[in-house]
Amino acid sequence: QSVLTQPPSVSGAPGQRVTISCTGSSSNIGAGYDVHWYRQLPGTAPKLLIFGRNNRPSGVPGRFSDSKSGTSASLAITGLQAEDEADYYCQSYDNILFSWVFGGGTKLTVL
Amino acid sequence: QVQLVQSGAEVKKPGASVKVSCKASGYSFITYYMHWVRQAPGQGLEWMGIIDPRGDTTNYAKNFRGRVTMTRDTSTSTFYMELSSLRFDDTAVYYCASSAEGEGNDAFDIWGQGTMVTVSS
Repeated sequence: QSVLTQPPSVSGAPGQRVTISCTGSSSNIGAGYDVHWYRQLPGTAPKLLIFGRNNRPSGVPGRFSDSKSGTSASLAITGLQAEDEADYYCQSYDNILFSWVFGGGTKLTVL
Repeated sequence: QVQLVQSGAEVKKPGASVKVSCKASGYSFITYYMHWVRQAPGQGLEWMGIIDPRGDTTNYAKNFRGRVTMTRDTSTSTFYMELSSLRFDDTAVYYCASSAEGEGNDAFDIWGQGTMVTVSS
């Protein structure tokens, strides 16, 4: 049972826009902690995709963006491409658990 | 470039201990905090703990307190994670991942390649 809740799967056709939600509580996202997003390809380590308030590491295209409101955050991917097929994880901090916490992950399928 | 290289796969019996290493290169060793995250087969990511490379201070996730020990060796720029009293459900890939400030808004910006630990009788 993950502290942050993500849908297990989302899908979209090439060129479409998809969003992945990440729902927390008043002790993590709702407490104002940043939400970060990671992408994980099969058999590889996760890689940082978006950090802080909509910041992207070098090499990550502008098709990826995030937003945050209240106790939730979401990742948006526009112009969906086949190479976007991967698992996506959100991450924040919880001030009751005193722990960094992750969502359960969302598998993105490009139809 | 900044790189984290982890030790190889391990197979252990229940009740044994495992020690995984993570060698940092491409940056000043004391610059970044180091976290350990694990991922059971087909499952999500689970944060295990953090170590401050400057003073060896640690903070462990509640689920692992009493069983995990995180250390570092400044002379070799290497971090270690030791997990004891292994159980079958400790079978997972274990990752080291660095962060800049060691505080709540940190992102895990660089990850090791992962170390598969299999607990089997």
